[in-house]
Amino acid sequence: GAVVSQHPSRVICKSGTSVKIECRSLDFQATTMFWYRQFPKKSLMLMATSNEGSKATYEQGVEKDKFLINHASLTLSTLTVTSAHPEDSSFYICSARYGEKLFFGSGTQLSVL
Amino acid sequence: EDQVTQSPEALRLQEGESSSLNCSYTVSGLRGLFWYRQDPGKGPEFLFTLYSAGEEKEKERLKATLTKKESFLHITAPKPEDSATYLCAVQAGGGGSNYKLTFGKGTLLTVNP
Repeated sequence: GAVVSQHPSRVICKSGTSVKIECRSLDFQATTMFWYRQFPKKSLMLMATSNEGSKATYEQGVEKDKFLINHASLTLSTLTVTSAHPEDSSFYICSARYGEKLFFGSGTQLSVL
Repeated sequence: EDQVTQSPEALRLQEGESSSLNCSYTVSGLRGLFWYRQDPGKGPEFLFTLYSAGEEKEKERLKATLTKKESFLHITAPKPEDSATYLCAVQAGGGGSNYKLTFGKGTLLTVNP
């Protein structure tokens, strides 16, 4: 199956700093990637849809200036959490579409102190 | 608004004790229903996609079925390694290139040896 690589797997940062998370499709090209956020015992919540070569589409309630998404190539999308605060601590997961299936990265646990 | 409800929230089974997980959904035109497996601290792993009522798919000890209102994930003679959270997600119709998935909260399955 298709492989999606995400890193880092875990990051701890101080409040006010920015954190970048990378998502790569290793053996296929992905024109569309998705970023999700997951809280403990909660469902995955779609944050934004990342389209190669164009602006990301954000879901209602997601601050686009806080969660910057860049999809500069067909195999790489990045999510930057700017000026992170403790409430941004969460599990962030990316996914990429391959045909009619959606494959997920291994997730990034962000902890903001 | 698309909704996905999974039950039970948690299920404990003895090794070899077969059971079923439920996923009830309301969606404006179902394009696909997806089952994923998620291990702690990992991204979801794709299991099945079902497209129309009456469809069934099998993989090892797992079998997924679909009706117009719900899907079941049947686990036959489970083993401890089947312990994980099982997620259900739906993709709504509506044309275009929308590939947004709406996830349920998942069922945490624990299989005791």
